[in-house]
Amino acid sequence: EPEVTQTPSHQVTQMGQEVILRCVPISNHLYFYWYRQILGQKVEFLVSFYNNEISEKSEIFDDQFSVERPDGSNFTLKIRSTKLEDSAMYFCASSVAGSYEQYFGPGTRLTVT
Amino acid sequence: QKEVEQNSGPLSVPEGAIASLNCTYSDRGSQSFFWYRQYSGKSPELIMSIYSNGDKEDGRFTAQLNKASQYVSLLIRDSQPSDSATYLCAVRSNAGGTSYGKLTFGQGTILTVHP
Repeated sequence: EPEVTQTPSHQVTQMGQEVILRCVPISNHLYFYWYRQILGQKVEFLVSFYNNEISEKSEIFDDQFSVERPDGSNFTLKIRSTKLEDSAMYFCASSVAGSYEQYFGPGTRLTVT
Repeated sequence: QKEVEQNSGPLSVPEGAIASLNCTYSDRGSQSFFWYRQYSGKSPELIMSIYSNGDKEDGRFTAQLNKASQYVSLLIRDSQPSDSATYLCAVRSNAGGTSYGKLTFGQGTILTVHP
């Protein structure tokens, strides 16, 4: 069964550094999302992406964040200058046209020191 | 602020029993509702979606939706120890009827099924 994949599974970075989290959505899916989950807290929406542009973003998704679909398969989340409070699990999700169901990848654990 | 509320539990049930998980939401315009299962340290796994009032059954799982009461529930019949996980209720914003509406999640209910 097709799955969303994410790399790396764990990323450790120093405060102020840039990180890029990578996702490969399910191949026939057209809608892409990033969510994050701080340890012990709710899953929170960051951004949705369709047709090579951001559809919707949350207040968390400030100028330090950006998303890109650099080719036909990858979907990336960039954090330009990481802060301690960016430490969280970051989940990529995707959905197919005509369905509201979102399927999540395994996540990237980001640790900012 | 659109909220999704769940009893965080933990909910403990014996093996073979019915587990009942509940969720309320504040946005009356919400149209799509989902239950995800999340094992510790893992990602959310979609187990049920429901869009219309009433019940929807899939194997041992039944989702129930009451839009008038802004309430959605999940019943797990014949609970197994492998069902022990956190169950997340998620509500999709009605973003103009398009498929890219964000999901708003509840805190999750921790379910423990003991042998």
